[in-house]
Amino acid sequence: KAGVTQTPRYLIKTRGQQVTLSCSPISGHRSVSWYQQTPGQGLQFLFEYFSETQRNKGNFPGRFSGRQFSNSRSEMNVSTLELGDSALYLCASSVWGRDTQYFGPGTRLTVL
Amino acid sequence: DQQVKQNSPSLSVQEGRISILNCDYTNSMFDYFLWYKKYPAEGPTFLISISSIKDKNEDGRFTVFLNKSAKHLSLHIVPSQPGDSAVYFCAASRDNDMRFGAGTRLTVKP
Repeated sequence: KAGVTQTPRYLIKTRGQQVTLSCSPISGHRSVSWYQQTPGQGLQFLFEYFSETQRNKGNFPGRFSGRQFSNSRSEMNVSTLELGDSALYLCASSVWGRDTQYFGPGTRLTVL
Repeated sequence: DQQVKQNSPSLSVQEGRISILNCDYTNSMFDYFLWYKKYPAEGPTFLISISSIKDKNEDGRFTVFLNKSAKHLSLHIVPSQPGDSAVYFCAASRDNDMRFGAGTRLTVKP
């Protein structure tokens, strides 16, 4: 089976812009979770989607949003980018959500 | 709020010795715990898990211990190998909610 794929792998944006990141889960996986990784903060949970519905949400401002399509692919959008949004954004897929998650390689976002 | 904490940001051990990575959690409702390993430029990969009905789970060189009364989780690697050098994240879940710790960078010296 193909693993979790994320596009793009690297992204450079300026403050105030918006960005959309994409995640394609492993075939058959219906749950997709998004995480932000920054040095010292570890993996901060953003949100989880299951069957096109947001099922869980972390403590991030409303500038962070996401969606999931009928084929389980997911997108994450960040509007009005801030310097502090520079991070590695990881998505993970699993069959049900609370079982083992398989991570993609991440998208490295740099906000200038 | 940090519901899962890894208080040691780094750990260095000699090859062949035991590595012990620790994790504490605050929510007693968590009932499933996992450890992930992450190499640079890669996403985390699953290592080992334990359900709250157990207190120990072994897989080769890796053993996870769970102390529910102390809300404490630990990962033992015996013997440690240089290839084990990576960042280790513990995770705790309940229902469909999974939370991760900040990670511990393990360095195994030859």
